Amino acid sequence: VLLQESGPGLVKPSETLSLTCTVSGGPITSFYWSWIRQPAGKGLEWIGLMYFSGTTNYNPSLKSRVTMSVDTSKKQFSLKLSSVTAADTAVYYCARADYMGRAFDSWGQGTLVTVSS
Amino acid sequence: QSALTQPRSVSGSPGQSVTISCTGSSSDVGFYNYVSWYQHHPGKAPKLMIYEVTKRPSGVPDRFSGSKSGNTASLTISGLQAEDEADYYCCSYAGTYRVFGTGTKVTVL
Repeated sequence: VLLQESGPGLVKPSETLSLTCTVSGGPITSFYWSWIRQPAGKGLEWIGLMYFSGTTNYNPSLKSRVTMSVDTSKKQFSLKLSSVTAADTAVYYCARADYMGRAFDSWGQGTLVTVSS
Repeated sequence: QSALTQPRSVSGSPGQSVTISCTGSSSDVGFYNYVSWYQHHPGKAPKLMIYEVTKRPSGVPDRFSGSKSGNTASLTISGLQAEDEADYYCCSYAGTYRVFGTGTKVTVL
């Protein structure tokens, strides 16, 4: 399976970051899907997890600003992060998770999103 | 939901073994047997190396092994090779959320 992130590389402060992950070479149904980010020079941070049916779990520290959704017909899932600040500047990865989201077995290459005016 | 604690760096010569620790709490690492490990070469996609504490996905060399004791999980790389030089992250299932480790840079001397 291949995952590819897409979306704007530059977002203004206070606006909403929107990214899409396109899944190819495998089904989107029957799997869990996740977003993970890495600020420059820092470690990985889990953002959220979604089952193909739409059930979601979010990082408690980001929960008030995060929305994940899925479009099974397009084999895509999406991330929206509202009210962004410079602290949200990071490489964002989409990933496939196994049963119950216990491990992430396939990852996209990542896309850099910079928050700046 | 604090990040799991890993050593900042470990190093070893080719052929040697190195072990990376990953310390969490009784709410994550200590409670669930769902610790995974990822190898990350900068600029590339992270790669799953170990899942469910000890299991290796197909294609991962058996030089990589995982274990757990109490609130601490460990990744051991035996017979260190040049291509093993990378950042390594642990991750634990914690019910409704997941938590990554702080990351460890492995240097092959």
